[in-house]
Amino acid sequence: QLVLTQSPSASASLGASVKLTCTLTSGHSNYVIAWHQQQPEKGPRYLMKVYSDGSHTKGDGIPDRFSGSSSGAERYLSISTLQSEDEADYYCQTWDTGTVFGGGTKLTVL
Amino acid sequence: EVQLLESGGGLVQPGDSLRLSCAASGFTFSSYAMNWVRQAPGKGLEWVSAISASGDYTYYADSLKGRFTISRDKFRNTLFLQMNSLRAEDTAVYYCAKVGSRGSYFHAFDMWGQGTKVTVSS
Repeated sequence: QLVLTQSPSASASLGASVKLTCTLTSGHSNYVIAWHQQQPEKGPRYLMKVYSDGSHTKGDGIPDRFSGSSSGAERYLSISTLQSEDEADYYCQTWDTGTVFGGGTKLTVL
Repeated sequence: EVQLLESGGGLVQPGDSLRLSCAASGFTFSSYAMNWVRQAPGKGLEWVSAISASGDYTYYADSLKGRFTISRDKFRNTLFLQMNSLRAEDTAVYYCAKVGSRGSYFHAFDMWGQGTKVTVSS
């Protein structure tokens, strides 16, 4: 069964960097995933797709501070020079015969 | 500008029906599969349903057990979700989302609406 696993929370200081992880279940390590950001009281926003080879393609208008990478079954979202507006929930998404979301990571900017 | 605008949410009683709409603009609606995703209060995102670009194929989360029906109107560029036999656990914000790849049934969602709130309570 296709499942995405995310840590429930993460924190980092203003101006620092953070790396969020999304882990695919065994047997699905070659799947593409997408990252979405959901700021408080807002709808989700598409950030990027991350491929198994480590490459990524970002959505329109997504700042260069956001990047994606990959290692095995893990897909990463890295955010550099953290700003207050980066405080949000981050969800990973993948798809097969349906769509699957990870449980989300709540990022706190200290 | 690509835009998705949901409407139709509200407060209903258990067992009632409700139809949600999602008006699409800024892209060729008939070329992309569309989805509904919901988010219960304080919870994460849950995929609900998908419909192919042509409208010929539909897909649902197993948990819905046939209570929901997704459809689309290519002339009005609008996506619908008919929800029947509503339960308290259907209380959520419902989002429509556009698939980012022309012709794919399932793919990354590259555009989301702002959501419409559905509350099921007696």
